[in-house]
Amino acid sequence: RKEVEQDPGPFNVPEGATVAFNCTYSNSASQSFFWYRQDCRKEPKLLMSVYSSGNEDGRFTAQLNRASQYISLLIRDSKLSDSATYLCVVPELTGAGSYQLTFGKGTKLSVIP
Amino acid sequence: NAGVTQTPKFRILKIGQSMTLQCAQDMNHNYMYWYRQDPGMGLKLIYYSVGAGITDKGEVPNGYNVSRSTTEDFPLRLELAAPSQTSVYFCASSYSIASGGAYEQFFGPGTRLTVL
Repeated sequence: RKEVEQDPGPFNVPEGATVAFNCTYSNSASQSFFWYRQDCRKEPKLLMSVYSSGNEDGRFTAQLNRASQYISLLIRDSKLSDSATYLCVVPELTGAGSYQLTFGKGTKLSVIP
Repeated sequence: NAGVTQTPKFRILKIGQSMTLQCAQDMNHNYMYWYRQDPGMGLKLIYYSVGAGITDKGEVPNGYNVSRSTTEDFPLRLELAAPSQTSVYFCASSYSIASGGAYEQFFGPGTRLTVL
């Protein structure tokens, strides 16, 4: 099975800081990627989708480097509410023509007042 | 819309007992999935379904069974529970494949299962 590797963390950063998470994937055929956010004892929720070289949504920027099989998530001006675990997710096309998602173990972020 | 709902929220089983985890979605999604998440680990796919009447094994199917008689419901059955099945179980659903790749999966709130 293809692997998805993330920075282990935890990342403890002060409010207002910029923090970046890295993710590498082994399935070179993957075309789209996701960053999910998971709060403590809650379900994962989609944060961003990445279909081309990158995507930006407010304080969040995701970048994709297909040649290096590398995805990053940048959070600017960190807020206390950004504290969560961030999951890198890579879809894998199965032989049956459906997609299965491979989840990284996640990187935990704690934003400190 | 309620989205993806799961019951129960919590359950404690004794070794060898059986139970069914319920999952329902009201978004008319074709695809549905069951995952388990162990502490400090990524989500692992147990079973998935691409439509009513069609199910397939994921990465960790042993000890589980599923059925998909309707588009809305996708129950997960645990037979002969074992301590190794102590985990948080998430059900998810999505639309079918997009031209550019996979669609977003929507997750239910999870069921926390302990087997003693």
